[in-house]
Amino acid sequence: EDQVTQSPEALRLQEGESSSLNCSYTVSGLRGLFWYRQDPGKGPEFLFTLYSAGEEKEKERLKATLTKKESFLHITAPKPEDSATYLCAVQIAGNMLTFGGGTRLMVKP
Amino acid sequence: DAGVIQSPRHEVTEMGQEVTLRCKPISGHNSLFWYRQTMMRGLELLIYFNNNVPIDDSGMPEDRFSAKMPNASFSTLKIQPSEPRDSAVYFCASSQNTEAFFGQGTRLTVV
Repeated sequence: EDQVTQSPEALRLQEGESSSLNCSYTVSGLRGLFWYRQDPGKGPEFLFTLYSAGEEKEKERLKATLTKKESFLHITAPKPEDSATYLCAVQIAGNMLTFGGGTRLMVKP
Repeated sequence: DAGVIQSPRHEVTEMGQEVTLRCKPISGHNSLFWYRQTMMRGLELLIYFNNNVPIDDSGMPEDRFSAKMPNASFSTLKIQPSEPRDSAVYFCASSQNTEAFFGQGTRLTVV
């Protein structure tokens, strides 16, 4: 059965303290891996798509990487406004996305 | 484009009543998704349409749930009769073969 697991479930960082979020997957025929950010009371907001092992993408303080079994979302020198839930999802058949449980990130000033 | 538009934003209804959630996808997108989000189960895909045709409804929990997409610019998710365990945030999303864009969601409370 296809599975997407995110860790940790919650992460508290001090402002400026870099860290990484993990998304491990067990799927056959990965077409793409997606990262989203979700703020309270809002819908998930698209961040990145990764298609093949070794690929990396960056946006401001965020960098996403992909291997054959997992993806990492690296956060460099985070700020309080980076606090949110980060979701990863895998695309297998068609355009459907299967989501992990998310990581709640809290960055304290 | 205004993005994916959902209505209502909040819905409170009594157990046994019919509930209809509405979604307008982004113009030009060929795929539409309905998701449900709860603390316990996270984001679950309920149903997926491609070119207005339902492709996968294996996530629809019971026969009480039904979804339609009469045209490329409108979809509904109906729950009849509603139950307290249906309380959740329901999201609609649309895509053009790649990343999906989500609406703001409908928070449903069944009392």
